[in-house]
Amino acid sequence: EPEVTQTPSHQVTQMGQEVILRCVPISNHLYFYWYRQILGQKVEFLVSFYNNEISEKSEIFDDQFSVERPDGSNFTLKIRSTKLEDSAMYFCASRIGQGSTGELFFGEGSRLTVL
Amino acid sequence: AQSVSQHNHHVILSEAASLELGCNYSYGGTVNLFWYVQYPGQHLQLLLKYFSGDPLVKGIKGFEAEFIKSKFSFNLRKPSVQWSDTAEYFCAVTRNSGNTPLVFGKGTRLSVIA
Repeated sequence: EPEVTQTPSHQVTQMGQEVILRCVPISNHLYFYWYRQILGQKVEFLVSFYNNEISEKSEIFDDQFSVERPDGSNFTLKIRSTKLEDSAMYFCASRIGQGSTGELFFGEGSRLTVL
Repeated sequence: AQSVSQHNHHVILSEAASLELGCNYSYGGTVNLFWYVQYPGQHLQLLLKYFSGDPLVKGIKGFEAEFIKSKFSFNLRKPSVQWSDTAEYFCAVTRNSGNTPLVFGKGTRLSVIA
């Protein structure tokens, strides 16, 4: 069964460092998302991406964050200068089609720990 | 803005007990509703979803949920839980228009004990 894959599974970084989290969505999917889950809290929407541009972003997705689909298969989330409060599990998700009827398929997540 | 409320933070049940997890949402328009499960150390998996039609939705592993529009609710049920149902359960909602993101509740941790 096709699945969304994410790397790394866990990254530890120093505050102020840049981090890139990578995702390979399911190959025929068109819509891509990043969510995050701070330990003990709910899953929060960060950004959605379609047709090589951001469709929607939340208040959390400030100038420190960026997304890119550099090569038609990877979908990356970059945090330019990490803060302690960026420590969280980051989930990538993809969906096949337009509208809300398509199921979101999630990756296993990348745990980011900022020291 | 949409919001999703899951009132139970942690539920502890014995095996074979019946389960009902509450979920309420705040959006007044047409919505699509989902329950996701996250087993320990694993990713979010879809349990079931409601878009339209029969408000009683059956999902995988014996789970079902009922959409009650008048109550803005989409409670998850299972008649008899198993130890393997121990997981975090998330209710999520999205507006039925365009490419709108999924909004999640805070989750309910279910612990099933023998």
